[in-house]
Amino acid sequence: AQSVTQLGSHVSVSEGALVLLRCNYSSSVPPYLFWYVQYPNQGLQLLLKYTSAATLVKGINGFEAEFKKSETSFHLTKPSAHMSDAAEYFCAVSGAGNEKLTFGTGTRLTIIP
Amino acid sequence: EPEVTQTPSHQVTQMGQEVILRCVPISNHLYFYWYRQILGQKVEFLVSFYNNEISEKSEIFDDQFSVERPDGSNFTLKIRSTKLEDSAMYFCASSPGQGETQYFGPGTRLLVL
Repeated sequence: AQSVTQLGSHVSVSEGALVLLRCNYSSSVPPYLFWYVQYPNQGLQLLLKYTSAATLVKGINGFEAEFKKSETSFHLTKPSAHMSDAAEYFCAVSGAGNEKLTFGTGTRLTIIP
Repeated sequence: EPEVTQTPSHQVTQMGQEVILRCVPISNHLYFYWYRQILGQKVEFLVSFYNNEISEKSEIFDDQFSVERPDGSNFTLKIRSTKLEDSAMYFCASSPGQGETQYFGPGTRLLVL
């Protein structure tokens, strides 16, 4: 079975500041890990994914995430926040070869001008 | 860029009525999924579909739910007799292969009165 926990349902950062969104996972099999973003009135868009290759994964829009097995974490970061980053971010996990995605509760990111 | 589309964007129905939510997956994708998100809660997996049959379903996906791929392009979710607790955002997703990235549609917001 898999699960993810996202710490912080709401995160606010100033424009230009570091963005850090936290995700911890639990998985009984080697995990595939994902970050999705949802802009208002839109679907879920894949930001990046980890599938057992490089532990530091780069995604779209300047985001990246690092898989840390020892900490069971997959935190999402961006060095400098932009106003357009305001959205809801979801961490998700699946098992290798498993189709089902298990999502966290999401983190709403607000950017302060 | 190809995308998953869903209709309608919003649906209001009376308790006990049947609803059909429609999705057009990306054309060369082989795996299809439905997820839902009750307001304020996690995105939850409902069902996956491959080769014209259900490949996995969650405990939420009881006898009131069914899925169908009636032609080469549409993928539908039917709720036979809606309950108040079925009110949620329903997301369709598709992927080209097992374990590959799932691409999500914009969702259908269902309100059961």
